[in-house]
Amino acid sequence: EVQVLESGGGLVQSGGSLRLSCAASGFTFSSHAMGWVRQAPGKGLDWVSTISNSGDYTYYADSVKGRFTISRDNSKNTLYLQMNSLRAEDTALYYCAKKRLPSTPGQDYFDYWGLGTLVTVSS
Amino acid sequence: EIVMTQSPATLSASPGERATLSCRASQSVSSDLAWYLQKPGQAPRLLIYGASTRATGIPARFSGSGSGTEFTLTISSLQSEDFAVYYCQQYNNWPLTFGGGTKVEIK
Repeated sequence: EVQVLESGGGLVQSGGSLRLSCAASGFTFSSHAMGWVRQAPGKGLDWVSTISNSGDYTYYADSVKGRFTISRDNSKNTLYLQMNSLRAEDTALYYCAKKRLPSTPGQDYFDYWGLGTLVTVSS
Repeated sequence: EIVMTQSPATLSASPGERATLSCRASQSVSSDLAWYLQKPGQAPRLLIYGASTRATGIPARFSGSGSGTEFTLTISSLQSEDFAVYYCQQYNNWPLTFGGGTKVEIK
C-alpha cells in the first residue's frame, strides 16, 4: 500500500525556518518525481515545488523561489522541503504528493497525497 | 502562468442528480488536465487525468471531457460520498496551477 507521511510542521515566527519531511513507502520511491502542494486555511490548492526522481531537476512556484529548497534522499525514501525566510502568507497545510508515472517527463499530476503537516507563521 | 478558472463556485444538487463542473484555462493546455476531489479534513484524491481517463478505483459515474481551454467533469448520478470540493489542475506548463475549486453541496 502506497503511503506518504509528512512531518516537521509547527509554529514559527516570520523570517524563521522550518524543514518538512515526507516518508514514503509502498512504491519504488527512486522512480517517481515528488511534489509539495499547500493549502491555506479555507482556501484552495497551491502547488509549491516538484523534484525529479533522481533529484537532478527541481521546479518552484514564483512565490517560494529563492526561499524554499526541495530535496530528496532516495536511500531513505524521504522527501524534504527546507523553508527559509518564512512569511505569514506561507501559513498552510503542506501536502507531500507522488507523481503517478515513474521516470516520465511531463505528466506532472499526483496520484497519492499525504494528510499534510501544518505550518503556521506568526507575524 | 496559466490561470485555471472553475465554475460554478458552488453547485447545489440532490442525490441521484447529474452534476456538471467546468474548468477553463487561460491558454491551451492540450489534454494535460487532472481533476481531484477533496472531502473536509482529507487529502485530495485523483479522479481524472489526461482530461478524460479515470484514475484507478474511480467509479464510472465520473467522466471528464474537453481539450485545449475548456474542460468538464460530469458526475452522472450524485452519491452521498460525492458531496465535496473538486479541483482541476493543468500540467502542461510550469508552474503547475489549480483552479479555485467547485463545492458540490446537498440541495
